[in-house]
Amino acid sequence: DAKTTQPNSMESNEEEPVHLPCNHSTISGTDYIHWYLQLPSQGPEYVIHGLTSNVNNRMASLAIAEDRKSSTLILHRATLRDAAVYYCILSGYDYKLSFGAGTTVTVRA
Amino acid sequence: EPEVTQTPSHQVTQMGQEVILRCVPISNHLYFYWYRQILGQKVEFLVSFYNNEISEKSEIFDDQFSVERPDGSNFTLKIRSTKLEDSAMYFCASSDRVNSPLHFGNGTRLTVT
Repeated sequence: DAKTTQPNSMESNEEEPVHLPCNHSTISGTDYIHWYLQLPSQGPEYVIHGLTSNVNNRMASLAIAEDRKSSTLILHRATLRDAAVYYCILSGYDYKLSFGAGTTVTVRA
Repeated sequence: EPEVTQTPSHQVTQMGQEVILRCVPISNHLYFYWYRQILGQKVEFLVSFYNNEISEKSEIFDDQFSVERPDGSNFTLKIRSTKLEDSAMYFCASSDRVNSPLHFGNGTRLTVT
């Protein structure tokens, strides 16, 4: 599996944007970039995914570098409910997602 | 919004006993998965299931584990003879196609004593 590298933790202030980086230098041409979050004692929850172009949805934006070797998840205005572990995962044409340690996001009121 | 449901939310069993963890995936989904998360550790892939057969399984998914879709709506994970190290949160997930978002349930906490 192609690997991703994320910072262990990030802190943000409420109502400020959060930029979560992810490096994936060994990404292959068919790998999608997925982001999931996990709140304490809950299952992972889908956030966003993309292949080459930047993506926006109601939860977040995904900015993908032109060479696809890195991406950034952008939470536009952090709220206390955004405090979670965020996972950046590559997925090819297989049947699984391989979770790493993710980035623990803390939001200060 | 449709969701994946898992039962029970918490299962306590004695070492050596068999357990069955149950999941109801989203109704029009075709791909089904089990993951587990030992307390304080990463979410680990166990198995994927499509078209009534296992598509891929991890090294964790040994002969003690089996999956079944018995009736077109439920998706079960059976552990034949539980060990202490099987204690974990077990998450079921489903998706409608490859590389589409996975929808996870809230998990079953399995405690083996």
